[in-house]
Amino acid sequence: ETGVTQTPRHLVMGMTNKKSLKCEQHLGHNAMYWYKQSAKKPLELMFVYNFKEQTENNSVPSRFSPECPNSSHLFLHLHTLQPEDSALYLCASSSTWPENTEAFFGQGTRLTVV
Amino acid sequence: GQNIDQPTEMTATEGAIVQINCTYQTSGFNGLFWYQQHAGEAPTFLSYNVLDGLEEKGRFSSFLSRSKGYSYLLLKELQMKDSASYLCAVRDSNYQLIWGAGTKLIIKP
Repeated sequence: ETGVTQTPRHLVMGMTNKKSLKCEQHLGHNAMYWYKQSAKKPLELMFVYNFKEQTENNSVPSRFSPECPNSSHLFLHLHTLQPEDSALYLCASSSTWPENTEAFFGQGTRLTVV
Repeated sequence: GQNIDQPTEMTATEGAIVQINCTYQTSGFNGLFWYQQHAGEAPTFLSYNVLDGLEEKGRFSSFLSRSKGYSYLLLKELQMKDSASYLCAVRDSNYQLIWGAGTKLIIKP
């Protein structure tokens, strides 16, 4: 069992739907991240939370809304998405930020927007 | 701009050795990472280099030359399970992590 768990693993949603992705880490880490991974493209950092506070928002459209209720849980709320938002969404955590030397990733949520 | 270059795809034979190169142009340097990602799975950490030289970890080694903006990941005694994508990432002077698009490694019997 990975230390970082993401649910659901797969999600198909219409452009008018609202859905949420969930991430949970059992590693006692203080930093959590959302990444977008599109085919044959570099990982794109979306958001960083350090000690539950959002520290990075890399020009992500407002249709993506993160929430971090505590250091172990991270959500990504989705609404009125576009087909180009279809991708693998990865959650990661690290013990510290930004000087961490290793990050642990979840298996991702494969999102398809139709 | 900042970018990381690595080959899109490589093919190697089981039992052989393969070297995956990564070149980078970034605003400063605060470490280079290699991750392995099997299809449909989470990326997993392989190595972290911040000083020049070779770091060996079992069958895998990672090399860094900061003056050349260059790293490589060396995989020895290749096994079929090494078929995966290998991601190179560099942390710049602002501690931003810049990722390459990954190298898909195909191992043939």
